[in-house]
Amino acid sequence: KNQVEQSPQSLIILEGKNCTLQCNYTVSPFSNLRWYKQDTGRGPVSLTIMTFSENTKSNGRYTATLDADTKQSSLHITASQLSDSASYICVVSLMEYGNKLVFGAGTILRVKS
Amino acid sequence: GAVVSQHPSWVICKSGTSVKIECRSLDFQATTMFWYRQFPKQSLMLMATSNEGSKATYEQGVEKDKFLINHASLTLSTLTVTSAHPEDSSFYICSARDLGGIEQYFGPGTRLTVT
Repeated sequence: KNQVEQSPQSLIILEGKNCTLQCNYTVSPFSNLRWYKQDTGRGPVSLTIMTFSENTKSNGRYTATLDADTKQSSLHITASQLSDSASYICVVSLMEYGNKLVFGAGTILRVKS
Repeated sequence: GAVVSQHPSWVICKSGTSVKIECRSLDFQATTMFWYRQFPKQSLMLMATSNEGSKATYEQGVEKDKFLINHASLTLSTLTVTSAHPEDSSFYICSARDLGGIEQYFGPGTRLTVT
């Protein structure tokens, strides 16, 4: 069964600190893995997209890693800001069914001052 | 670039009425559009996929006669919730993908509340 699992479910950190969010998937055949940021009451915004041949990709203070062998990915946020408070969703795209997306449940991050 | 808009951003309607939500790709041609539903503290769930000019493909368990989808042009798709009931209250999000592209660009969502 195609599944995407994220951990932790929620996380609270102090402003300025770093954090790492985890994603494990069992999606096959795999096309690409994406990380999205979703603010409350808004649609998801893409942070990174990685194909199976990419190990890491950065977007500002966000760095995503991918290990296609172990089917694990992580999103590292550096020097967190209050505006980073949001839900972070790991999404894996199937190579078939028109690149259908399989969504994780998300990690809710709250950055405190 | 790659902006997707939705209208309205929120709507309140009475039980039994129908509501139409619009999804527009503002700066690209969206050959495929997707409609998702998201309940509180849950992730997005795909409802249907629509390709311009053809009938939408609905996910298992989604009533096609209740959720009418029209994708009449390369920049506009509409979702009509017919005979809405309180259990249809949810956050509806569309996304759009251009021809040959892999990225889906999401709209800001529409909050539907049925009283």
